[in-house]
Amino acid sequence: NAGVMQNPRHLVRRRGQEARLRCSPMKGHSHVYWYRQLPEEGLKFMVYLQKENIIDESGMPKERFSAEFPKEGPSILRIQQVVRGDSAAYFCATPEGSSRTGELFFGEGSRLTVL
Amino acid sequence: KNEVEQSPQNLTAQEGEFITINCSYSVGISALHWLQQHPGGGIVSLFMLSSGKKKHGRLIATINIQEKHSSLHITASHPRDSAVYICAALQNTGNQFYFGTGTSLTVIP
Repeated sequence: NAGVMQNPRHLVRRRGQEARLRCSPMKGHSHVYWYRQLPEEGLKFMVYLQKENIIDESGMPKERFSAEFPKEGPSILRIQQVVRGDSAAYFCATPEGSSRTGELFFGEGSRLTVL
Repeated sequence: KNEVEQSPQNLTAQEGEFITINCSYSVGISALHWLQQHPGGGIVSLFMLSSGKKKHGRLIATINIQEKHSSLHITASHPRDSAVYICAALQNTGNQFYFGTGTSLTVIP
């Protein structure tokens, strides 16, 4: 999974600030999943993106959260006006090739702490 | 009720023991993944299954589509196998992955 790069690895924000998490897929991978793992809980699906297109955002909170995957550059998960409950590990994963059914490659995760 | 249920939740084994982790799911799936998460949090994909059985080293994964059940087996377990093992089902309608809550495995030397 070393090929999927996430940054920052750790991010500390105060309540009300914005958090931006970035995910750079492996070359040739054109789809990105974002997942959230709350402390002591399992992974939860947030959003599934293709370049320049949000395919499924059914797992993402309706307010304060947004995601994009531009034609050039990394996918970005943006959390506005963070609250303590946003503290979690955020993982991105890319399926191999252009198929959602390919083998999944995960990034190392971005751990957000909201003070 | 969760779409994906794993058992056991926690498992402690002696080095060398044969280990089985079970996963049952209630949705129709395109594929089922077994993932490994080490302390420190990185996640590695171990297997992707849509039918039958796969083997990689000491790890074996099986799936029974009719029974909606998958198992992950570890032969000759080793302390370095200590990790959380997660099964994830890719729903065949839509793009949702449903995750089990994970099985925390500790292998004692």
